[in-house]
Amino acid sequence: SQQGEEDPQALSIQEGENATMNCSYKTSINNLQWYRQNSGRGLVHLILIRSNEREKHSGRLRVTLDTSKKSSSLLITASRAADTASYFCATDGGLNSGYSTLTFGKGTMLLVSP
Amino acid sequence: EAQVTQNPRYLITVTGKKLTVTCSQNMNHEYMSWYRQDPGLGLRQIYYSMNVEVTDKGDVPEGYKVSRKEKRNFPLILESPSPNQTSLYFCASSSQGSYNEQFFGPGTRLTVL
Repeated sequence: SQQGEEDPQALSIQEGENATMNCSYKTSINNLQWYRQNSGRGLVHLILIRSNEREKHSGRLRVTLDTSKKSSSLLITASRAADTASYFCATDGGLNSGYSTLTFGKGTMLLVSP
Repeated sequence: EAQVTQNPRYLITVTGKKLTVTCSQNMNHEYMSWYRQDPGLGLRQIYYSMNVEVTDKGDVPEGYKVSRKEKRNFPLILESPSPNQTSLYFCASSSQGSYNEQFFGPGTRLTVL
């Protein structure tokens, strides 16, 4: 079952610009996580935001969560060519899930040009 | 170094030839899981394990088996691989299941001819 859906599917920007990716989901959650994947490699965890949090920062990353709209956004500020990657949001199954599963969206491909 | 390892990293095989992809983690995590990643479909969970001897199906378990005899290992078994199992496979682990961040292995690219 697909829970999170990222938007846009692809994003192309210049170095120094900000990149914003959005994630929408359908059911209640305990937490939402963002991951990065460089081409064909393993996913790397970026940020986890709990359902009772509204915003979190980590370096150049800012994540917001709006549980009333069932959506989250990932903002990368002052992007660099090294930020070129696919970005995925992942959601758990909410209160009744027993923390057993994490469902990933299809991802946003970000291309940062020098 | 905390890590999740997978072997092999690349495998080309033929239809029907049983194979096992190994996954091992050194972080003493209770939770381990397997995903497959296909173009346009994102990551889909195959099986997960909450602890030793506790496994359960994910979204796409058909054609796969798993076992969890030791905490650190979670092998993925394809008893009779078919071409539709050609994919990129990832193993992941975490403490407290989906409550916490997942640590992913480097991936295994499987081609079934």
